[in-house]
Amino acid sequence: NAGVTQTPKFRVLKTGQSMTLLCAQDMNHEYMYWYRQDPGMGLRLIHYSVGEGTTAKGEVPDGYNVSRLKKQNFLLGLESAAPSQTSVYFCASSSTRTGYEQYFGPGTRLTVT
Amino acid sequence: QQPVQSPQAVILREGEDAVINCSSSKALYSVHWYRQKHGEAPVFLMILLKGGEQKGHEKISASFNEKKQQSSLYLTASQLSYSGTYFCGTVSNDYKLSFGAGTTVTVRA
Repeated sequence: NAGVTQTPKFRVLKTGQSMTLLCAQDMNHEYMYWYRQDPGMGLRLIHYSVGEGTTAKGEVPDGYNVSRLKKQNFLLGLESAAPSQTSVYFCASSSTRTGYEQYFGPGTRLTVT
Repeated sequence: QQPVQSPQAVILREGEDAVINCSSSKALYSVHWYRQKHGEAPVFLMILLKGGEQKGHEKISASFNEKKQQSSLYLTASQLSYSGTYFCGTVSNDYKLSFGAGTTVTVRA
């Protein structure tokens, strides 16, 4: 039981490049989330999904797209990376929306130069 | 809108107590508390539901004042392992979890 895993762990991009972050969970959770964490800002919700095939915008969605084609996977895409997207990205999952804990993946450190 | 945490940082000696506060401008459905160690993922500590009881985890407990839209986390007889950044997360009627900026706790021997 691996919990929540994220790929890759580190990545450096040049401005304008694109990439996809992969999140996978093996707990059969319905809900999945993508957060970004910046110094002094805490965790901010980018997008989330309440089930396979559904996604919704969070607090800071601009510049990101997501897809949830399979229940266990949640992908975060950056179509044209900008330096402002330099951050640590965390994926999380939970069995319900509000009443249960969120399990976090180990994070992806992304640097855009 | 993010909840507001205070203080931003606290330094303790082993065995001392501390309180971390979290307040929101919105009516709250629940409050979550997480702890994050440097370079690691946040780890769930506890959740407090509207109308629910005070929760506890080891010597860490929390309260939730629904009327004031506030929660407090109590670190009792702190241990070295309590060092880290503590985040509160609040859920209001939009059912999204919003995190505060965090409180960095340093426990020294």
